[in-house]
Amino acid sequence: SYEVTQPLSVSVALGQTASITCGGNNIGSKSVHWYQRKPGQAPVLVIYRDKNRPSGIPERISGFNSGNTATLTISGAQAGDEADYFCQVWDSRTAMFGGGTKLTVL
Amino acid sequence: QVQLVQSGAEVKQPGASVKVSCMTSGYPFTIYAMHWVRQAPGQRLEWMGWINGVNGDTKYSQNFHDRVTFTMDTSARTAYMELRSLTPEDTAVYYCAREGSPPGHDALDLWGQGTNVNVSS
Repeated sequence: SYEVTQPLSVSVALGQTASITCGGNNIGSKSVHWYQRKPGQAPVLVIYRDKNRPSGIPERISGFNSGNTATLTISGAQAGDEADYFCQVWDSRTAMFGGGTKLTVL
Repeated sequence: QVQLVQSGAEVKQPGASVKVSCMTSGYPFTIYAMHWVRQAPGQRLEWMGWINGVNGDTKYSQNFHDRVTFTMDTSARTAYMELRSLTPEDTAVYYCAREGSPPGHDALDLWGQGTNVNVSS
């Protein structure tokens, strides 16, 4: 089955830019979706189809997908961005999730 | 308000069954599919399958297909997930999540708050 990999954790200084990667074999040929989950809360979709933001998601959150890596970028990181972030793709109509990355804002 | 509200935490003994509900509001229930996803402690999110609100069709992950059943009550705007023959390895947070129809192609754009299921003797 298709596997997607994420770093366990990423740290970013307040106001700086964080990049969270999602790796997979030729993942650039798939649509990647990103979710944010804060403790005790429901996951929230932050990027769909590689680079699109749902209504209400700020422009400082962006996505890119090419080759073997998809990347979620958070510019001007804020304390409120601290959360777990998950990527997801479809493979043979089965949803595959990355292991999740904990973003810490220092 | 557009939201999914799940039923409360459950504690079950091994061998029992659990049924989790996912009540929807604020959108046309029957034009979306509902997925079920779980996360066991220390594990990644695991997709369990979906039920299509348009026609009631279901697709189950091979990891669960013989133990899980998805149903829906369109009049109550509620989806259900029943998992049978529980073992301690089924201890997890269970989520429902919405996708437009046809399912299996796009993002899960709305999630429930999660239901803790603890399987312990």
